[in-house]
Amino acid sequence: DTGVSQNPRHKITKRGQNVTFRCDPISEHNRLYWYRQTLGQGPEFLTYFQNEAQLEKSRLLSDRFSAERPKGSFSTLEIQRTEQGDSAMYLCASSPNTETQYFGPGTRLLVL
Amino acid sequence: GENVEQHPSTLSVQEGDSAVIKCTYSDSASNYFPWYKQELGKRPQLIIDIRSNVGEKKDQRIAVTLNKTAKHFSLHITETQPEDSAVYFCAAVRASSGGYNKLIFGAGTRLAVHP
Repeated sequence: DTGVSQNPRHKITKRGQNVTFRCDPISEHNRLYWYRQTLGQGPEFLTYFQNEAQLEKSRLLSDRFSAERPKGSFSTLEIQRTEQGDSAMYLCASSPNTETQYFGPGTRLLVL
Repeated sequence: GENVEQHPSTLSVQEGDSAVIKCTYSDSASNYFPWYKQELGKRPQLIIDIRSNVGEKKDQRIAVTLNKTAKHFSLHITETQPEDSAVYFCAAVRASSGGYNKLIFGAGTRLAVHP
C-alpha cells in the first residue's frame, strides 16, 4: 500500500449539490496532484500543489472546482453545483520528487 | 501539449505467453516514462519506470524499452500469469521549470491472461 488515502471512497449526489473530497498524502511528500479518470480512460491532470501553493490548474478545472491544501498536508477538492458530466473517479497522488507519483484509491463520484 | 498514444486497447494472451504494450509520445522534451497497473476498482500502481537517459530497464518479468528518436516506449511482460490481468497505463512527463511534473497518460490497455 502506497499510503495515500482518500475520503470518501464513493459519493452519490444529486445534480446541483456541492461535494468535497479529501486527500491525505504520504506524510513526507510535499507535492500533491489531483487527477480525474472517466471510464475507459487514463487519468487526466487537474491541479498541482507544492506544499500549500497551488502552482497549476488544468483547463479541465472549471470555476465550479476549487482545491486547497491549507497547511501543506491534506488537500480538499470541492465541486460546486455538480453536473452529470462531473461523474468520474477523482484520484489524488503525492510525490517526494519531480518524478515518481503514488496514487490514492480514489473517490468515485456519481451525479444523478 | 504532450499527447500519449497507447496500443493495443485490449490484449488477450494465454498464461505463460508474453505481452507487449506500446506507447508513443509527442513532446521530445519528455524525460520520464512510468507504467501503472490498475486492477478493477483499485488505485493505479507504479510497476516500472524509465528515464530518458536509459534505453531499457528490467525488473523480474517486466521490462520497459525506450526509443527516444522514434519517441516510443514499450512494456514487455514475460511468462504472464492470471494475476497480471489488469488495465495498464503508460505515461510521459516533462519536468517543468517549477520543479514538478504532471503525468500525461495513455488511454490504457486491458490485459487478460487466460489460464
